[in-house]
Amino acid sequence: DQQVKQNSPSLSVQEGRISILNCDYTNSMFDYFLWYKKYPAEGPTFLISISSIKDKNEDGRFTVFLNKSAKHLSLHIVPSQPGDSAVYFCAAIIQGAQKLVFGQGTRLTINP
Amino acid sequence: DADVTQTPRNRITKTGKRIMLECSQTKGHDRMYWYRQDPGLGLRLIYYSFDVKDINKGEISDGYSVSRQAQAKFSLSLESAIPNQTALYFCATSLAGVGYNEQFFGPGTRLTVL
Repeated sequence: DQQVKQNSPSLSVQEGRISILNCDYTNSMFDYFLWYKKYPAEGPTFLISISSIKDKNEDGRFTVFLNKSAKHLSLHIVPSQPGDSAVYFCAAIIQGAQKLVFGQGTRLTINP
Repeated sequence: DADVTQTPRNRITKTGKRIMLECSQTKGHDRMYWYRQDPGLGLRLIYYSFDVKDINKGEISDGYSVSRQAQAKFSLSLESAIPNQTALYFCATSLAGVGYNEQFFGPGTRLTVL
């Protein structure tokens, strides 16, 4: 049972445009969400997160939106840059349990 | 300097062999985790340890065992490797306590079982 789902395996975006990566979850107990970025031959690195008490969190070019009623979150990257090409994982957690549940990942390619 | 290191980085082995993957960290974190990554499945939790005396199974622990030798070291063993254990394996660490949700990952071990 996949509790966190990223339904788009891949996404291709023009440099300078907005990239939108989506993530859905089924467990309403999740109260904290994270996005990780992964380059080839490296481990995932933390990008941005959001608590369930918020609906938006922004950090530079990266913004995460949370819609709790729809159990949906999205990561916006504006403007997209070639260095953003990577696999992005959405993850969810019940705070205190400290076990992250990951989505399948979306491979983002930024075209020049 | 890498805070979370994994050895080996790549390993090819044969079915039935015993394999150990090692993880060391200099972050001083109490909590350590082992994940595997498969195409289309994301990262799945194999085992986790909240301190040296605490070991817990994750969602896919069958065929694996772990040892927490010290706060800084957490090793994963495949007692008798099989081809469907071919995957990328990641170790991760985190601080303990509510609010410490971020996990820090090592560079990964690519394991191939022939």
